[in-house]
Amino acid sequence: KQEVTQIPAALSVPEGENLVLNCSFTDSAIYNLQWFRQDPGKGLTSLLLIQSSQREQTSGRLNASLDKSSGRSTLYIAASQPGDSATYLCARWAGGTSYGKLTFGQGTILTVHP
Amino acid sequence: SQTIHQWPATLVQPVGSPLSLECTVEGTSNPNLYWYRQAAGRGLQLLFYSVGIGQISSEVPQNLSASRPQDRQFILSSKKLLLSDSGFYLCAWMRQVVYGYTFGSGTRLTVV
Repeated sequence: KQEVTQIPAALSVPEGENLVLNCSFTDSAIYNLQWFRQDPGKGLTSLLLIQSSQREQTSGRLNASLDKSSGRSTLYIAASQPGDSATYLCARWAGGTSYGKLTFGQGTILTVHP
Repeated sequence: SQTIHQWPATLVQPVGSPLSLECTVEGTSNPNLYWYRQAAGRGLQLLFYSVGIGQISSEVPQNLSASRPQDRQFILSSKKLLLSDSGFYLCAWMRQVVYGYTFGSGTRLTVV
């Protein structure tokens, strides 16, 4: 069974801190890994997509890495802001004949307080 | 640019009533389309996906069905809702793997 685990489940930090969110997966047959942000009651916003041939992607204060050998991805948020408060989800994409189906982790609830 | 629309945003329905949620995509052709459900305290679960008109694959046995009558239209339906159908329903599309998934804004369904 393909599983995706996110640690920690919740994180509360003061504004300005650098932080790391972790995502691990049990199946190494990974095609893509995508990080999303979800605000309360809203849909998912794509943050970063890492293809299996890549090791990392960067967008602004966000950096995501992928280590297939260890089955891990990390999302690094630099200089956190209260506006970063949201649930962060990672999703593993197996590719091949799976028609792009994503397997999601349970998410990390991030609170950045002023 | 590509956009995805879901409606309604919020829905409260009695047990045993029918359901129809609609999702449309603009700005692309022949996308893969997906319905996910996010139940309270649980992660996102894939319900259905479609790789073309009239082609529907179901991931889990359930009280729901899906249809794709047009290339960029995906509909989630039920003939009789159950309390357990409550949740947050998300539609998504993917055209090319290098660009990943794009999700709609979701529909909050409460069955009472």
